Amino acid sequence: KAGVTQTPRYLIKTRGQQVTLSCSPISGHRSVSWYQQTPGQGLQFLFEYFSETQRNKGNFPGRFSGRQFSNSRSEMNVSTLELGDSALYLCASSSGDQAEAFFGQGTRLTVV
Amino acid sequence: KQEVTQIPAALSVPEGENLVLNCSFTDSAIYNLQWFRQDPGKGLTSLLLIQSSQREQTSGRLNASLDKSSGRSTLYIAASQPGDSATYLCAALRRGGGNKLTFGTGTQLKVEL
Repeated sequence: KAGVTQTPRYLIKTRGQQVTLSCSPISGHRSVSWYQQTPGQGLQFLFEYFSETQRNKGNFPGRFSGRQFSNSRSEMNVSTLELGDSALYLCASSSGDQAEAFFGQGTRLTVV
Repeated sequence: KQEVTQIPAALSVPEGENLVLNCSFTDSAIYNLQWFRQDPGKGLTSLLLIQSSQREQTSGRLNASLDKSSGRSTLYIAASQPGDSATYLCAALRRGGGNKLTFGTGTQLKVEL
């Protein structure tokens, strides 16, 4: 059974650009959550999508957005990149509501 | 607002030692608590999940306990090995909060030969 797949693994972008990250959950899982991990702030929740609807949202600016497709794959978009957006972005897949979370390997974003 | 704290922040032990990692949370209205392991630059690997109705969960050399009334969970690692070296994170899932996890600050463990 395939795990959670995040692409790409590494990205280098310039300030002001935008970026799209992708997450394919475990087959049959309906929930995808996104987290940002930085050395200073630790792991912080960005948002959760469940059956194509955003169900929870963390305390991040509107530059961070996401969506989920009918096959449960999810994308996260960050517009007008800032240096502080450099982080490891992790997505988690859950089979249903209040279920165990399984994480992907993450996308390492570096903004220069 | 849920806050999760882990003590100690870092720990270095000799191989073979039994050890305990601590996790404290402020909101007792949790649905479950998960322990994860993270190797440098990698994603999170789920180790154990304890439902709020449970007191303990075991997997191999790992044992996790949960005490909702005191807002504490512990992860016990028996007979530690160098391969156990990693950062250990606990995360609380709030009852009725969807799948939003609130993470602790992590304990960086080093097991030395």
